Amino acid sequence: EVQLVESGGGLVQPGGSLRLSCAASGFIFSSYSMNWVRQAPGKGLEWISFISNSGNDIFFADSVKGRFTISRDNARNSLYLQMNSLRDEDTAVYYCATSLQIVGIVMEYWGQGTLVTVSS
Amino acid sequence: DIQMTQSPSSLSASVGDRVTITCRASQGISNYLAWYQQKSGKVPKLLIYAASTLQSGVPSRFSGSGSGTDFTLTISSLQPEDVATYYCQKYNGAPRLAFGPGTKVDIK
Repeated sequence: EVQLVESGGGLVQPGGSLRLSCAASGFIFSSYSMNWVRQAPGKGLEWISFISNSGNDIFFADSVKGRFTISRDNARNSLYLQMNSLRDEDTAVYYCATSLQIVGIVMEYWGQGTLVTVSS
Repeated sequence: DIQMTQSPSSLSASVGDRVTITCRASQGISNYLAWYQQKSGKVPKLLIYAASTLQSGVPSRFSGSGSGTDFTLTISSLQPEDVATYYCQKYNGAPRLAFGPGTKVDIK
């Protein structure tokens, strides 16, 4: 069974940093591209970042480009999101999600999410 | 950037009704369109990709159609467990991905 478990969320002040992790199990992690998607409280979905299975291809949404970095450790079956220069509008539940193989950046399996609150 | 819109923003229908949700792209996206279902307090679930391909395990009462700029998600016979918010997502032209604003479906 595919499992994705996010961790690392919490309360952080504006301008601060946070590192999210996503632990994967139940599938061959090194074969799958991965994504981070977020959802502000009571709002819709926003895709924010993609990393290919090898880590060679990385994309960001304009809203986080230059502030967030994505990485993965295939040996540890883990995905990461380093978030710097956090703003109030980054407050959201952050989900990690697998990309549907071959199709493109379509989110197939999702974790339960971790809440990031940016507030002073 | 290509913008995604959905209509209606919400709807209420009776059990057994046929329900149609529309998603429109501001420019053509071929068939690079996915649909997700998100029940209240739950994680989104992929329903359809490539505009009309049903994801494995999704009930056959769900179907998708369209190409270019106009797409529809149809629930042929609404069930109580279909109460949810439905999102479309374009996925051509990475990293210019975009979700629609969502359509909330309720039971009358």
